[in-house]
Amino acid sequence: DAGVIQSPRHEVTEMGQEVTLRCKPISGHDYLFWYRQTMMRGLELLIYFNNNVPIDDSGMPEDRFSAKMPNASFSTLKIQPSEPRDSAVYFCASSLVAAGQGRTGELFFGEGSRLTVL
Amino acid sequence: QKEVEQNSGPLSVPEGAIASLNCTYSDRGSQSFFWYRQYSGKSPELIMSIYSNGDKEDGRFTAQLNKASQYVSLLIRDSQPSDSATYLCAVNPLYTGNQFYFGTGTSLTVIP
Repeated sequence: DAGVIQSPRHEVTEMGQEVTLRCKPISGHDYLFWYRQTMMRGLELLIYFNNNVPIDDSGMPEDRFSAKMPNASFSTLKIQPSEPRDSAVYFCASSLVAAGQGRTGELFFGEGSRLTVL
Repeated sequence: QKEVEQNSGPLSVPEGAIASLNCTYSDRGSQSFFWYRQYSGKSPELIMSIYSNGDKEDGRFTAQLNKASQYVSLLIRDSQPSDSATYLCAVNPLYTGNQFYFGTGTSLTVIP
């Protein structure tokens, strides 16, 4: 398997523009996660899906952020309008094993999308 | 209080030494614990997972979990320059579904 695939790898845009990040999870994985990583705050969970259904979006910063998963092999994270404080690396990750009997499976990360908002 | 806390470092050790990385967590009911390694400019990759109190060894890596004290540690024996990276501790608190909380990471440099 090719692993989790993200695009674009790098995005430079101007404040106020719309940004769309894309993710293809590992085939067969039923959990998909979007994380944001900055030096100051580390890895923050934005939202995660189970079987294409959003389960927890409490980490989404504000209404400017939205995420969709129209099918098992594709997800998008959209920022509209973008702001300089959104500059970060956005990771998509997928997981096969759900939490059960107190145990959770491994997260497999994509290579990330580095976003710079000027 | 953050869910997961790590010493940010940086931590420097000479080649061949033991590197010790520590992590504390706030949710006493947490059941699943992970150490990820992240090279500069790369994505995190899993090093170890541990679910029960005690030690778990995998090659040069040993994870230690103490639920009573709410800490988890990672020991790297015979440290190599290739171990130089940021190490992230991740915890899955109970009743949060599949949510993982990550620490901010500890930067490790192994000096040849």
